[in-house]
Amino acid sequence: EPEVTQTPSHQVTQMGQEVILRCVPISNHLYFYWYRQILGQKVEFLVSFYNNEISEKSEIFDDQFSVERPDGSNFTLKIRSTKLEDSAMYFCASSEGEAFFGQGTRLTVV
Amino acid sequence: QKEVEQNSGPLSVPEGAIASLNCTYSDRGSQSFFWYRQYSGKSPELIMFIYSNGDKEDGRFTAQLNKASQYVSLLIRDSQPSDSATYLCAVNRGAGNNRKLIWGLGTSLAVNP
Repeated sequence: EPEVTQTPSHQVTQMGQEVILRCVPISNHLYFYWYRQILGQKVEFLVSFYNNEISEKSEIFDDQFSVERPDGSNFTLKIRSTKLEDSAMYFCASSEGEAFFGQGTRLTVV
Repeated sequence: QKEVEQNSGPLSVPEGAIASLNCTYSDRGSQSFFWYRQYSGKSPELIMFIYSNGDKEDGRFTAQLNKASQYVSLLIRDSQPSDSATYLCAVNRGAGNNRKLIWGLGTSLAVNP
């Protein structure tokens, strides 16, 4: 069964560092998303991506964040100058209707 | 007003009983409605989606949608201890190329053996 794959599963980084979270969406899907979930809180939309460009981004997705599809298969989320409050689970999803989620990357900023 | 609201629970039911999970949403333009299950520390797993008013059944699960009341529910029949998880209601309010999901906080379900 096709699945969304995310790496790494857990990333620990020092405050102020840059991190890149990686995702391989389901191959025939055209819509890609990043969501995050701070511990104990609801899942929050960050950004949607279609046809090699951002289709919508939330207020959270400011200049600190960027997304890329560098090689036609991977979909990455870059977080620059990480802050303590960026600590969360980050989920990648892809869809052609219903969204399917990767297993997430747990980002811990120390 | 919260966009997607769920009772956080915990909802506790005995094994074999019916668990009823509820969700309300504020945007009347919402088009699609999803129920995800999330185990602690794991990613959301799609259980069901519903687009039209009425009931939709899939095995032990039934989703119910009432757009006039802006209400969607999930019934789990013959509840099993393995159903113990947080159930997330998500609403798609996008059109065209934007299909982002707006999420409720989730209802914690405990099925007691």
